[in-house]
Amino acid sequence: AQKVTQAQTEISVVEKEDVTLDCVYETRDTTYYLFWYKQPPSGELVFLIRRNSFDEQNEISGRYSWNFQKSTSSFNFTITASQVVDSAVYFCALNSGGYQKVTFGTGTKLQVIP
Amino acid sequence: DAGVTQSPTHLIKTRGQQVTLRCSPKSGHDTVSWYQQALGQGPQFIFQYYEEEERQRGNFPDRFSGHQFPNYSSELNVNALLLGDSALYLCASSLLQRGEAGELFFGEGSRLTVL
Repeated sequence: AQKVTQAQTEISVVEKEDVTLDCVYETRDTTYYLFWYKQPPSGELVFLIRRNSFDEQNEISGRYSWNFQKSTSSFNFTITASQVVDSAVYFCALNSGGYQKVTFGTGTKLQVIP
Repeated sequence: DAGVTQSPTHLIKTRGQQVTLRCSPKSGHDTVSWYQQALGQGPQFIFQYYEEEERQRGNFPDRFSGHQFPNYSSELNVNALLLGDSALYLCASSLLQRGEAGELFFGEGSRLTVL
């Protein structure tokens, strides 16, 4: 069975602060993929990153960075110097077992206050 | 290059009615998945279509059915609507990559309200 837990339901930060969104996943498979998606108020989910289980190298893309740790089954997402445009709901997701189904967490609503 | 388009964007139905939602995938994509997102929740996988066949299904009753056409577009049908079917229905398209989970491209969704 696949499971994704995002314990933080809502986070508020002041603009320019750094913020980390936590994600913990469960799977028995050795091959799996992890994702982060952003959902602005318009409703469309926007792809941010995909990692496979064999690549634990952390990744940085502009103000975004991701920390993947298999030892703790975590895939955390950090936004540096947050901006108002970062306000959205962020979902962590998991695909494993060779199936096409993607399991999403319940999301973390991020509010960046100017 | 058009992304994923869904129609209608909003609709209101009453209990017991039937609804059809439509999705056109991103150009070049051959796989369509449907997700249900209740308010304040993450998307839940309904099913996926590839080569006009349902390839995988989530934990949804048979009232939920779908179809994929030769041009890769897809429909989601829900019969005998219940109040609990009120949700945002998201369509996601992708390019099937065997042995690898590809990126999903989502539409803006169809918001269904059942009264």
